[in-house]
Formats: sequence, structure tokens, C-alpha cells
Amino acid sequence: ELKVEQNPLFLSMQEGKNYTIYCNYSTTSDRLYWYRQDPGKSLESLFVLLSNGAVKQEGRLMASLDTKARLSTLHITAAVHDLSATYFCAVDPPGESQGNLIFGKGTKLSVKP
Amino acid sequence: EAGVTQFPSHSVIEKGQTVTLRCDPISGHDNLYWYRRVMGKEIKFLLHFVKESKQDESGMPNNRFLAERTGGTYSTLKVQPAELEDSGVYFCASSQVGDYGYTFGSGTRLTVV
Repeated sequence: ELKVEQNPLFLSMQEGKNYTIYCNYSTTSDRLYWYRQDPGKSLESLFVLLSNGAVKQEGRLMASLDTKARLSTLHITAAVHDLSATYFCAVDPPGESQGNLIFGKGTKLSVKP
Repeated sequence: EAGVTQFPSHSVIEKGQTVTLRCDPISGHDNLYWYRRVMGKEIKFLLHFVKESKQDESGMPNNRFLAERTGGTYSTLKVQPAELEDSGVYFCASSQVGDYGYTFGSGTRLTVV
């Protein structure tokens, strides 16, 4: 059974600091997703990582995927308050059935001035 | 384009009652998914429609849950009779066939009292 573990689950950061959220998964997969959720809002797609070594950046966020280590990271550079939200990683299990995403528990990020 | 729309956004019902949740996917998206997040737990897959057919319903918790997608457009998820443990946030997502991106709705928060 595919399992996805995120850490930390809670993260309180000062503005301007850097930090990394980790996402480990237990079975081979070539498709990993990062989502952001603000309270009461939808899951907003941040990154779709489809191959080993994939690195994507958007603003202060950068995501990478190492399929051999079964690890993805979401790096936050010079955090600002607007990044406060819950971040989820999710993995699409191997095989033809798509969309049966396995989610991590989420990382609740709070950026303080 | 309009996103994935879910309603109601909140529902509070008594144990034993029936509730029907609705999801309108993005127009043209044949894939439609239901997920659920119970308090403190991961977001979990419930089922996947391709057009009006159930492709994968392996995540449906029991036979009190019935999902339909008549005509391959919007979908409903009925819970009958509702139990306390059904409380949580129910998310819907849609995607195009062959596309690795999933667009989520903002969810329906169901509280069973």
C-alpha cells in the first residue's frame, strides 16, 4: 500500500527565512503533486512533477523530485506572510489508474512578521 | 473558465438523515473524482468517474455512500443514513483524459451531529 509522509506537519517561520518541507512516499511513482490550501478554499495546484530530477520554481517556492529516493521537497525562500497556508503533497500510484491520489497529511505553514 | 464547483459549501445534518452533495466539474473534463478529509486525517480518495461510468470506487467507505454522474456532467454523492464518522470535508476534482493535472473544488464541509 502506497503511503505518503510529509514533515513537518506544522511550521512556524519568520518572514525572510528559508525552509524545506519534505514528502516521502513508499512505492515507486513518477507523478507527484504539490497543492496549497487556504482555509475554506480549494486545493490550488502548485507543481506537477513527472520525472526523476524534475525541478520547478514559482516565485518563492521550488519543488524537486527524486524518484530513486522516493522524496520530493518544497523549498521556501525568503518567506512572506502570504505564503501562510496548508501545503499537501500527493502521489499518483503506479499503473494505469490515475487520479487515485495518495495525499500526505499536509504541512500547516504560518509565516510571522 | 469556471473551476470545479461544489455545493453546498457547508451542511449540518442529524445522524440518520440523508445528505446529497453536488459537484460540477470543469466543462469538457471527462474525469471526475471524489475525495474526503476526515478531521485530522489525510485526504482520501473515494471514487473516480470517467464520463458517467465508475472507473474506480475502491475508496468508498460503505454502502451508505452512493455516487452518480448521470449524463457524464455533474455528479452527486449521497450519504444515507449519515453517521457521525461521516463528518469531514468532501472534495471533488476533475481532469481531462490524458492530462496529469487535477483541478479541485473548494469542498463541502459536512457535519453530522
